[in-house]
Amino acid sequence: DVKVTQSSRYLVKRTGEKVFLECVQDMDHENMFWYRQDPGLGLRLIYFSYDVKMKEKGDIPEGYSVSREKKERFSLILESASTNQTSMYLCASSLAWSGANVLTFGAGSRLTVL
Amino acid sequence: GQQVMQIPQYQHVQEGEDFTTYCNSSTTLSNIQWYKQRPGGHPVFLIQLVKSGEVKKQKRLTFQFGEAKKNSSLHITATQTTDVGTYFCAGPSSGTYKYIFGTGTRLKVLA
Repeated sequence: DVKVTQSSRYLVKRTGEKVFLECVQDMDHENMFWYRQDPGLGLRLIYFSYDVKMKEKGDIPEGYSVSREKKERFSLILESASTNQTSMYLCASSLAWSGANVLTFGAGSRLTVL
Repeated sequence: GQQVMQIPQYQHVQEGEDFTTYCNSSTTLSNIQWYKQRPGGHPVFLIQLVKSGEVKKQKRLTFQFGEAKKNSSLHITATQTTDVGTYFCAGPSSGTYKYIFGTGTRLKVLA
């Protein structure tokens, strides 16, 4: 019954490495999101996409990029990982904007950058 | 930019006590959603409020949307250990697909 799948639950990377976080949803949702969760800061939006090949910056896009080549897949890329990117990354999807759409989250990917 | 704040950040209650978390937005919201994240889990949608002054109930949980549509509250009556987790409110950034999440309230229930 899994609907939003994140490829890796735990990752450990070294500073400067390129990191790919993959997210796939099987609900035919138009919108997909990447959030970062840190203690005391809640969920902060990194990037979102409302259609294939379309993307918009969220509140904290610096150091990240995204790719959406297919409707069901939304990838988060860290071009050169840094220790301050150690965090929990949550992918979510939703139906197209109706003023009242619900986010379905994946299980999360906990990234540690050494 | 738009900000959504929640208080308190943490709350410890004895089982059976009531609990309330408050959510305040810097801008008017078209709707507000509430999510619950169990320890080690991911946020799961609880409810959505759309109308000014709206009140909705789910068993022991009561959700309220303020008259000005800038604040909301979640009240749990007679907490149980299953209520443990972090509760987030979220509202759409005006004219966009972006949902801005509050900072969350972590609830711990002591048996």
